[in-house]
Amino acid sequence: EAGVAQSPRYKIIEKRQSVAFWCNPISGHATLYWYQQILGQGPKLLIQFQNNGVVDDSQLPKDRFSAERLKGVDSTLKIQPAKLEDSAVYLCASSPDSGLAGGFTYEQYFGPGTRLTVT
Amino acid sequence: SQQGEEDPQALSIQEGENATMNCSYKTSINNLQWYRQNSGRGLVHLILIRSNEREKHSGRLRVTLDTSKKSSSLLITASRAADTASYFCATELRGTSGSRLTFGEGTQLTVNP
Repeated sequence: EAGVAQSPRYKIIEKRQSVAFWCNPISGHATLYWYQQILGQGPKLLIQFQNNGVVDDSQLPKDRFSAERLKGVDSTLKIQPAKLEDSAVYLCASSPDSGLAGGFTYEQYFGPGTRLTVT
Repeated sequence: SQQGEEDPQALSIQEGENATMNCSYKTSINNLQWYRQNSGRGLVHLILIRSNEREKHSGRLRVTLDTSKKSSSLLITASRAADTASYFCATELRGTSGSRLTFGEGTQLTVNP
């Protein structure tokens, strides 16, 4: 099966500009995650979707970050305006389910990420 | 703050040796997962151990979980150069809106040929 697709792979922008990332999860996966991974750190969850609804966006800086998953399939993450500290790799992941209904936990499948550099 | 903390931050060994990485966490969890990340790539799931399990094996991987000490360890036996990567533990907390994984800072493993 095809993996999680992300684009672009690399992006360089100046501070105060806007940028958007795209993610296409594994077919049939209900849950989609966006993570931010700063160099030398582990991934930090930004937002989690279950189908087209937001399950958890408690760590999303909503003054500048936004995300949508309108049809419950692919998703976009936007930053506007970007700051220097937003330089990081943005990872998208998907799983069959969030585990809410059945109580099961599923592994997450990660895309290759988008490396963002803000100058 | 991160839930899990890996130890050591970096580990360098020779091919054929065993590598042990440790993870400590702060709050009660539902399960713990280990992931590998090769340089410039996304994370790959290695193994999941549930809170009621103490040990789990998968190929050359052995994971232990001690919930009383809030710690886990990942052992890679007979390491290979291809095992060079960052290894992350991720603790799962389940709330009313589903489960969330919280990743540690990772251990950078280098296996020298």
